[in-house]
Amino acid sequence: QQQVKQSPQSLIVQKGGISIINCAYENTAFDYFPWYQQFPGKGPALLIAIRPDVSEKKEGRFTISFNKSAKQFSLHIMDSQPGDSATYFCAATYNNDMRFGAGTRLTVKP
Amino acid sequence: KAGVTQTPRYLIKTRGQQVTLSCSPISGHRSVSWYQQTPGQGLQFLFEYFSETQRNKGNFPGRFSGRQFSNSRSEMNVSTLELGDSALYLCASSGSGTGNLYGYTFGSGTRLTVV
Repeated sequence: QQQVKQSPQSLIVQKGGISIINCAYENTAFDYFPWYQQFPGKGPALLIAIRPDVSEKKEGRFTISFNKSAKQFSLHIMDSQPGDSATYFCAATYNNDMRFGAGTRLTVKP
Repeated sequence: KAGVTQTPRYLIKTRGQQVTLSCSPISGHRSVSWYQQTPGQGLQFLFEYFSETQRNKGNFPGRFSGRQFSNSRSEMNVSTLELGDSALYLCASSGSGTGNLYGYTFGSGTRLTVV
């Protein structure tokens, strides 16, 4: 039961470019939307998160855009760097239950 | 501040055996969740414990079980292992009762291989 759909599955971006990953959710009860970054051999690490009463949140080069009416949210990575190469997961939470998107493997070419 | 500790890091088991994985959450965290990560299925929610009580459970067969101790440490058990149980098992702890305020902190996982 995939409650959070994530795209694209993989993404290749040049250094300095903008990486954009999109997610859509179904359950309107979700009330917290985090993004996680995972490097090989490591567990996912919280990157940035947003609540549905906010349309945008920015932390450094990372920005979440949230569209409540469309039930969509996205992660934008500005000035992408080779060190950003990792797998990114969007997630949605309601009542102690967090559901993840399928993940996007980002490769930033130098 | 120590992170989430999962042991063992790697495990090889034979079909039909059972296995127990351990997770020590961040000190003070009372919520522990378990996830199965595979290339094909991504991160699949197994269950979540808070104060020794299972609050949520994902869509996994009864062969997958867990428990949480009074010190918040958690274990998960898989009985009658199948080849398809080969995966990275991740544990995450949260500082809030709901997990919403602080997000989850994941451990590095236990890589289980069933042969």
